Amino acid sequence: GAVVSQHPSRVICKSGTSVKIECRSLDFQATTMFWYRQFPKKSLMLMATSNEGSKATYEQGVEKDKFLINHASLTLSTLTVTSAHPEDSSFYICSAGASGRSRETQYFGPGTRLLVL
Amino acid sequence: AQTVTQSQPEMSVQEAETVTLSCTYDTSESNYYLFWYKQPPSRQMILVIRQEAYKQQNATENRFSVNFQKAAKSFSLKISDSQLGDTAMYFCAFMIYNAGNMLTFGGGTRLMVKP
Repeated sequence: GAVVSQHPSRVICKSGTSVKIECRSLDFQATTMFWYRQFPKKSLMLMATSNEGSKATYEQGVEKDKFLINHASLTLSTLTVTSAHPEDSSFYICSAGASGRSRETQYFGPGTRLLVL
Repeated sequence: AQTVTQSQPEMSVQEAETVTLSCTYDTSESNYYLFWYKQPPSRQMILVIRQEAYKQQNATENRFSVNFQKAAKSFSLKISDSQLGDTAMYFCAFMIYNAGNMLTFGGGTRLMVKP
C-alpha cells in the first residue's frame, strides 16, 4: 500500500516551454501533497504544499507564477513549470501525506528529472 | 521551528557489519514523529522506519532499528548485517503530530556498503 506515482520520470524541453508533472496517490486519498526540488547530493528542498480544493502554500523564495500547482482531487496534484529556463533543470519529487494516528507519514513518488535546454 | 541535524555527511561499512547513523533534532513540541528515509541511486525515497515520540519502545524493521532518546533529542539508525543494497543516502526527518504531514529533513548521510 501507500504508492505514489509521478509522471513523467524524465523530460527534456526547450527553454521557454512549459512542463507539467503529475503526482498521484494510487491507493489512498491524500488531502495534502508536497512538491520538493533536490539538487545533486543535497537534501530535499520543499517548494510548496498542495491542499485539495484550495490554493497551494509556497515556501519563501519560490515563485508561485513560475511553479503552478493544482490539486484538483484527493489523488492528483500537478506541478507546471512555466516558461522553463536552464536554471530550472533539477530533480523534482512529489509526496502525498497519509493521515490518521498510526499512519501520519509522507510517501514519495519516484521523482522527475527535468532538463531544460 | 524544528531543525534536524545529521552530523555525518558520509559513512562506509563493510558488508555484513553493523553501522549506526546519527540524527539529532530540536523542537519544543511534545507530540511528533521521527522517520528515516532511504534514497538509493534510483533516487526513489523509501520509508525505512517510523517512530512515534510518545512510544518509549524503539522501532524495529527487520535489520533496521532506532535508538530514540527523547530527552537528548537523538534518533539514531542502526543497520545490522549491512548489505550492498543498503548503499544510499539516508535522511532523518521530523513531523509534528496532526499538523498537516509537514516533514523537516536533515542534510542526509551518504552510506557506502563495501564488499
